[in-house]
Amino acid sequence: SQTIHQWPATLVQPVGSPLSLECTVEGTSNPNLYWYRQAAGRGLQLLFYSVGIGQISSEVPQNLSASRPQDRQFILSSKKLLLSDSGFYLCASDRAYNSPLHFGNGTRLTVT
Amino acid sequence: QKEVEQNSGPLSVPEGAIASLNCTYSDRVSQSFFWYRQYSGKSPELIMSIYSNGDKEDGRFTAQLNKASQYVSLLIRDSQPSDSATYLCAVKKQTGANNLFFGTGTRLTVIP
Repeated sequence: SQTIHQWPATLVQPVGSPLSLECTVEGTSNPNLYWYRQAAGRGLQLLFYSVGIGQISSEVPQNLSASRPQDRQFILSSKKLLLSDSGFYLCASDRAYNSPLHFGNGTRLTVT
Repeated sequence: QKEVEQNSGPLSVPEGAIASLNCTYSDRVSQSFFWYRQYSGKSPELIMSIYSNGDKEDGRFTAQLNKASQYVSLLIRDSQPSDSATYLCAVKKQTGANNLFFGTGTRLTVIP
C-alpha cells in the first residue's frame, strides 16, 4: 500500500517569506498527486493536482505554485506568503480509476 | 448546487448508540463513494469505500449506497467516544484525475 510523506509537520513563517512544502509517495508508481488546503473549521480546498511529471493543474488562482520534478515528488511553493495562506496543507495521492484518495499527515502553516 | 452535501451537524449520540451520517450527491454518473474520518488537527483517514448499491459492512461501520436516490450513508454501531470526529463523504465521478468531490463534513460527538 502507498505511504505519503509530508514535511514539516508544523511551520511558522512571517508574512512575505518564501515557502516550500515537500511530499513524497512510496509504494506506487505514476500516481495522481494533489495539494489541498483546509482552513480552520472548514472543508477541503483543492489547490493543485498532477497526473504526471511536470504536469500541474491549478484549481485556485493565488500566490502559490506547485511542481512535480519526479514521479513521486510533489512540491508546493510560494515566493511571498500572505496571512491568508495560513492553514492545514495536505498532500494526497490516488492511483487508478475508482481508487480512493490517501492523505499524508499534513503540514500546519501559520503565517504571522 | 453543490456536488456533495452533508449535514454539518454537530451530531451527538450517547455511547453505545447507532450514529447515522448522511450524504447526497448531484451527479448521477458518480461511480465511487468514500467515507473519511478526520480527528481534530489530523489528516483525513479512509474508513469505507462503496461502489455498488446496497450495504457494505466493516466491523462497526456500515456504508449504504442508493444510486437511484443519489444517497450514501454511514452507520456506526455501538458508538464509542473514540468515534468523535468529523466524517467526510467523498464522491468520485467517472475516470481521470481531479474527479473527486468532498462534502464539508459532519461533526460527530459520542457522549460517554
